[in-house]
Amino acid sequence: KAGVTQTPRYLIKTRGQQVTLSCSPISGHRSVSWYQQTPGQGLQFLFEYFSETQRNKGNFPGRFSGRQFSNSRSEMNVSTLELGDSALYLCASSLAPPGQGDGYTFGSGTRLTVV
Amino acid sequence: AQSVTQPDIHITVSEGASLELRCNYSYGATPYLFWYVQSPGQGLQLLLKYFSGDTLVQGIKGFEAEFKRSQSSFNLRKPSVHWSDAAEYFCAVLNTNAGKSTFGDGTTLTVKP
Repeated sequence: KAGVTQTPRYLIKTRGQQVTLSCSPISGHRSVSWYQQTPGQGLQFLFEYFSETQRNKGNFPGRFSGRQFSNSRSEMNVSTLELGDSALYLCASSLAPPGQGDGYTFGSGTRLTVV
Repeated sequence: AQSVTQPDIHITVSEGASLELRCNYSYGATPYLFWYVQSPGQGLQLLLKYFSGDTLVQGIKGFEAEFKRSQSSFNLRKPSVHWSDAAEYFCAVLNTNAGKSTFGDGTTLTVKP
């Protein structure tokens, strides 16, 4: 079966712009989580969605937002980009609802570079 | 708050040698623990997970991990390393209330021929 698909794979944006990243989970998975990965901070939790509802949110500013659609596809948006937002953004899907410990299946990520 | 410590930033082993990657966690309740592997430019792949029961869990690619509650550890092992195992390895603990996983900083494995 198809894995977790993230688009685009690479993105270059200018400071102040906004960006939308997309994630299609594994078919049947209703839980989608987003993580930011940087060399300095490692993997940081952004948010998690289940059945179109944000269930959990990490410690990121309000410039970071997301949503989930009825087909479980998810998007995350970053507004007013800053240089420090340059990172690999990883989407992960899970069969189980949040907190039930199914383990994640990750996509290959979107590499965002802010210049 | 939960936390995960991977004491070794970088480990080098010879091909065919045994491997042990260390992971220590801090969590108030019974932990749900995971090991993931990440190849360059890729996402993370789940190697194995521990929820309860047998403290020695088997995973994919010949990996296993042992949960030791008394030491708050969940070390990853492999009896014979292959060159293709070179990657970065992450240990994670799930906060079942907050629904998020906390990851360690990772251990980079280099395999010498």
